[in-house]
Amino acid sequence: QKEVEQDPGPLSVPEGAIVSLNCTYSNSAFQYFMWYRQYSRKGPELLMYTYSSGNKEDGRFTAQVDKSSKYISLFIRDSQPSDSATYLCAMKDGSQGNLIFGKGTKLSVKP
Amino acid sequence: AAGVIQSPRHLIKEKRETATLKCYPIPRHDTVYWYQQGPGQDPQFLISFYEKMQSDKGSIPDRFSAQQFSDYHSELNMSSLELGDSALYFCASSSPMVEGRGTQYFGPGTRLLVL
Repeated sequence: QKEVEQDPGPLSVPEGAIVSLNCTYSNSAFQYFMWYRQYSRKGPELLMYTYSSGNKEDGRFTAQVDKSSKYISLFIRDSQPSDSATYLCAMKDGSQGNLIFGKGTKLSVKP
Repeated sequence: AAGVIQSPRHLIKEKRETATLKCYPIPRHDTVYWYQQGPGQDPQFLISFYEKMQSDKGSIPDRFSAQQFSDYHSELNMSSLELGDSALYFCASSSPMVEGRGTQYFGPGTRLLVL
């Protein structure tokens, strides 16, 4: 079993929909949680960064971390066709540690 | 804002050849990470450097080596290339001294194709 599990999708939604992306993990030592967006053949782009449990909002994006359930989420409101990409969750235990990624969820937002 | 720079962006090599990938971190970032991403896969950690010293090692083959130089740029040296080494290689940089300490910012990647 991978340390980080993420449904690979693909996920297809109409423009304007609310998108929910999720990851579960098994290592209770993880404290730093990130969401990256990756367009085809491009480098991962940092979207959200959260330390420990809680919610964080940035524009149309909201990240949630529930350490008791070992579950993290990313919500995208008013989704746009330009949001079509692969979304990778990533996490680590220390500030200097390497990232452990989920498999990524491929999202397609249809006009 | 300045981002992580990687060169070359594309590289084609034949089996058993060598390759050198370069990474220039974001200014004032002192930590560099290397990741390998195969087709349809998530990035896998290879190796990292902090202040020019190796800080962590992941699934890096013995045929690969890396180092970080005095100007903080890093190079990944790959020898005896195999077909299975064909992948996207990403470099990421971070600094514990800025907001979101330890947040890693990725470069555009080097696409390596081994024929």
